[in-house]
Amino acid sequence: DGGITQSPKYLFRKEGQNVTLSCEQNLNHDAMYWYRQDPGQGLRLIYYSQIVNDFQKGDIAEGYSVSREKKESFPLTVTSAQKNPTAFYLCASTTLGGGNQPQHFGDGTRLSIL
Amino acid sequence: RKEVEQDPGPFNVPEGATVAFNCTYSNSASQSFFWYRQDCRKEPKLLMSVYSSGNEDGRFTAQLNRASQYISLLIRDSKLSDSATYLCVVNPFEGYNKLIFGAGTRLAVHP
Repeated sequence: DGGITQSPKYLFRKEGQNVTLSCEQNLNHDAMYWYRQDPGQGLRLIYYSQIVNDFQKGDIAEGYSVSREKKESFPLTVTSAQKNPTAFYLCASTTLGGGNQPQHFGDGTRLSIL
Repeated sequence: RKEVEQDPGPFNVPEGATVAFNCTYSNSASQSFFWYRQDCRKEPKLLMSVYSSGNEDGRFTAQLNRASQYISLLIRDSKLSDSATYLCVVNPFEGYNKLIFGAGTRLAVHP
C-alpha cells in the first residue's frame, strides 16, 4: 500500500535534548512538508522541500532542522532551542503540479516534554 | 486579519440535518482550494477540492466565490460519522504548492 509513514507515534523529550521525527513516503512524491498543530489551532508550516538536497523554511522554522537526502525521506529534528515543542507534528507530501495538488498526510507524531 | 478564517463552531446538529460551513481567505490571487476533514487526534484527510464552478461529491457540495473570497461546504443528510473538524485550505501561490490551513470548524452530529 502506498502512503506516508511517520514514526514514532508518541515521543517524549527531556530538557536540552534533540529528538528526530521520521517521515517516509512511497508515493513517489516530489514535495514534502512538516507542520505543527497546537490544540484548537490550524496547521503551521515548519519546513518544506521540493527536491532532494533542497529545503526551505516555513513560518515557524526556529528551533527545528531538516534534511532531504533521499526523495522518500524527510526527517525533522526538534532541537533544544525549541522551547515549546509539545505539539502534534504532521508530515505531508504531494506531486508538483502547478499548485493545484492536495497534500496527503502521515498519521502524525505527538511530542511531549518530560 | 488571518489568511484563512473559519467559524470555529461547534455546530451541533441532529442526524439528517443540512449544515453549511463558510470560509474566507485574504489573498485575492489564491489559486486552489480544498476542504479537509480531521477526526479527533488524527491527521487531516482530503475531503474534496473546490472548483470555480462548484462541485459535488455525494452529500457534500463545495462552492467558491472569488469576488467575495469566500468558500463554502454544504453537508446534506448529516450522519453521525460526519462528526469531525472541517479545515478550509487555500493555496495562495500559483505554480507552487504551499497550503494555508484554517483553524477548522467543528461539527458534532447527534442522534
